Order: sequence, then C-alpha cells, then structure tokens
Amino acid sequence: EAQVTQNPRYLITVTGKKLTVTCSQNMNHEYMSWYRQDPGLGLRQIYYSMNVEVTDKGDVPEGYKVSRKEKRNFPLILESPSPNQTSLYFCASSLTGTGTVLGYTFGSGTRLTVV
Amino acid sequence: AQKVTQAQTEISVVEKEDVTLDCVYETRDTTYYLFWYKQPPSGELVFLIRRNSFDEQNEISGRYSWNFQKSTSSFNFTITASQVVDSAVYFCALSSGGSQGNLIFGKGTKLSVKP
Repeated sequence: EAQVTQNPRYLITVTGKKLTVTCSQNMNHEYMSWYRQDPGLGLRQIYYSMNVEVTDKGDVPEGYKVSRKEKRNFPLILESPSPNQTSLYFCASSLTGTGTVLGYTFGSGTRLTVV
Repeated sequence: AQKVTQAQTEISVVEKEDVTLDCVYETRDTTYYLFWYKQPPSGELVFLIRRNSFDEQNEISGRYSWNFQKSTSSFNFTITASQVVDSAVYFCALSSGGSQGNLIFGKGTKLSVKP
C-alpha cells in the first residue's frame, strides 16, 4: 500500500531533550515536506526537500533540522525542543519536486508535547 | 505572494442541511492547483479533491460539490444533506508551479453537524 509513515504518533518529552520524528514513504517520491499544525493557524511548512541531499527552509524553520540522505526518508530533528514546539506535525510527499504538483500524500501525524 | 483565506472559522448546521465552505486564494502564477482536505477528530488529513487552474468545470462527488471560479479566485465546497460524519475541520490549499511544491493552507473551517 502506498503510504507515508510517521513515527511516533504521540510523543511527550521534556524541554531540551533532543528528539527525531521519522518519516518514510514507499512511492519513490522526489518531494517531501514537513508541516506543523497549530490551532487557528492552519498548517505551516517547516522544511521541504526536492530530492536526496536537497533541502530548504519553509515558513517556520526555526528550531528544526532535517536531512535527506536517501529518497524514502525525511526525518525531522528537534535538537533542543521547547514548549512552543508543542504541535501536530505532518509529513507529506509528492511525486515531483519541480513545482508540477500531481498530488500530496500525508502521513497520519505526530502529536508532540514538550513540557 | 500566495495566500488562502477561509473566512469561516466555525460553522454549525443541523443534519440534512446544505452547507457551503468558502475558499478564496491569491496567486500570481497562471498554473496552480487547489485542494480540499478533511481533518476528522482523529486528526489525519483526508484528501478530497485536486483541481488545476486550467479546469474550471465544477465537480460533484456524491454529496460533495466544488465550485471553482477564477474570476473571483474562489474554490468553494458544498456539502448537500449534511450528516454527523461530516463534522470535521476542512482545509483549502493552494500550490503553484513556481512555488517549489509548497502547499499553502488556509486556516481551516470547523464544521459541526448536529443531529
């Protein structure tokens, strides 16, 4: 089944403790992206990747890192999480990264709480 | 600049009523794509429709219909004979050919359908 898999689904952590949220897709998509969803703000893009070893900042990249060492994986790294990063996170992938959009597939979301 | 506006923050209807969710977008690109997603209380994003800028035909899928009007930069979504299971947050989103694949979301409309 074609899908984007995020792990974990739920995570409660403490301020400053490094964490990684994994994202993997099995569709050979070039383009992958991370979003965060906050009440009243909709979904905002954190980082995106056009292909392996090509990443760029979205609208709200502060406090996050990403890597794209292989096509299928696009982990989101919080080096020193803070309470304002408490949010619902979504990973998405799409076939092409040239701006020709054929549709996005979203993961099931990761609900992160930083205390 | 690209922008998606969903002016209705929350809508409450009684079952079997028709309801229209408004979406107004801004983009300078001539090639772009519009999307609607549903987010039920469980949190995942469910794809509903994708429409490209060259196809202004309205679309109907069961009780759902979409009205795309380039002249008013709108892509409205109507649910006919609403049901309790339609209760969710609905997001309108925009992606254009020149945006590196970034999907810009509106802030969402929360629809509550009461029995």
